[in-house]
Amino acid sequence: DIQMTQSPSSLSASVGDRVTITCRASQSISSYLNWYQQKPGKAPKLLIYAASSLQSGVPSRFSGSGSGTDFTLTISSLQPEDFATYYCQQSYSTLSITFGQGTRLEIK
Amino acid sequence: QITLKESGPTLVKPTQTLTLTCTFSGFSLSTSGVGVGWIRQPPGKALEWLALIYWNDDKRYSPSLKSRLTITKDTSKNQVVLTMTNMDPVDTATYYCAHTEYQLGYYFDYWGQGTLVTVSS
Repeated sequence: DIQMTQSPSSLSASVGDRVTITCRASQSISSYLNWYQQKPGKAPKLLIYAASSLQSGVPSRFSGSGSGTDFTLTISSLQPEDFATYYCQQSYSTLSITFGQGTRLEIK
Repeated sequence: QITLKESGPTLVKPTQTLTLTCTFSGFSLSTSGVGVGWIRQPPGKALEWLALIYWNDDKRYSPSLKSRLTITKDTSKNQVVLTMTNMDPVDTATYYCAHTEYQLGYYFDYWGQGTLVTVSS
């Protein structure tokens, strides 16, 4: 299995801050990396696919970058509605899709 | 408009078999590149991918759960069914089904609301 490791596991930030979350794969996954946002009691929402492509309807303050084993999700200016848990997910190996353990973004 | 909805029991006993149905609309599972996956999330924990079925009936399973899972599709009914045998309390989780379609990789762009399954005697 390809293991996905996110850092940090949790993060406190303020409205207006620039935030970066990192996801590292245990082997190269090219650009087959996706990011999701999940709020309590809700299904995950796709934010970024193929490492850097913004899903339709997602605000442009969200961006993704990286390739190979190291990836980042950046929120350029945090808004109140962005406080949630974020997950990365690899689809390089269609034999076994894996998610990261999540990063909880909290209000400072 | 793509929608998915999970249905099945909310409570199962240990050792029983769980059968969940995902009923969807807005797409066809006979269209090339389309798939439906199952993902679960134990309370307070991370997402875990379980299984995926593609338009061509190709099936993929989580290696750690492969022996317990079966995924099937009924294209005429717009349904995907997941069965999980030998349920245990650690399988207590919210189970989601989700749509995927190949475009720069497979990702889950539409999700059901999820259904909470509790395993307890």
